[in-house]
Amino acid sequence: QLQLQESGPGLVKPSETLSLTCTVSGGSISSSSYYWGWIRQPPGKGLEWIGSIYYSGSTYYNPSLKSRVTFSVDTSKNQFSLKLSSVTAADTAVYYCARHFRVPGIAAAGYFDSWGQGTLVTVSS
Amino acid sequence: QSALTQPASVSGSPGQSITISCTGTNSDVGGYSYVSWYQQHPGKAPKLMIYDVIKRPSGVSNRFSGSKSGNTASLTISGLQAEDEADYYCCSYAGGSTVIFGGGTSLTVL
Repeated sequence: QLQLQESGPGLVKPSETLSLTCTVSGGSISSSSYYWGWIRQPPGKGLEWIGSIYYSGSTYYNPSLKSRVTFSVDTSKNQFSLKLSSVTAADTAVYYCARHFRVPGIAAAGYFDSWGQGTLVTVSS
Repeated sequence: QSALTQPASVSGSPGQSITISCTGTNSDVGGYSYVSWYQQHPGKAPKLMIYDVIKRPSGVSNRFSGSKSGNTASLTISGLQAEDEADYYCCSYAGGSTVIFGGGTSLTVL
């Protein structure tokens, strides 16, 4: 059974870089059928797609965050990672990683069929 | 890129049916058949309930169904049960290699 687990610091200072890693178990991150996505949820608010990455390294970002976000993938460790720079209090949220089913030929189309439990990241000095 | 529009809350009594709407534009909901719906209980991760507008993943109750008309997608829950009380989010492909979520709807089972 596929499992995803987010890891990283729970507290980040303003203006610094938030870094999270998602470890995938029970399945290969190198599957051609999936992207691997990041979604966040500020406390008491809705879901926001941050972006998704393919095992080859192709990336798709939310335009509103694109200037601050960097994704990477490590197929040898079955992990993918998120870096969000210049964080502010508005970036405080639960961050989820998820498997993103891929529609062939339409970049980033699909749906999120398996999710990690989420990790709360607070931006505060 | 604004969030898809969902009602903030809906409610229904056990056994009744409810429908949650998700309104976008012809650049997202109306332009593609890649709408999905997620159920989220408090403190839990979202769970996929509907994908590709109308398809139901294995293991999801057939009381959940999806549809779309024009720029509005809908999630219908029939035979409402107490366990259905949760937040529900729609999500759509929005063109240009982007994805957008709705603002979420809180379902109360009376």
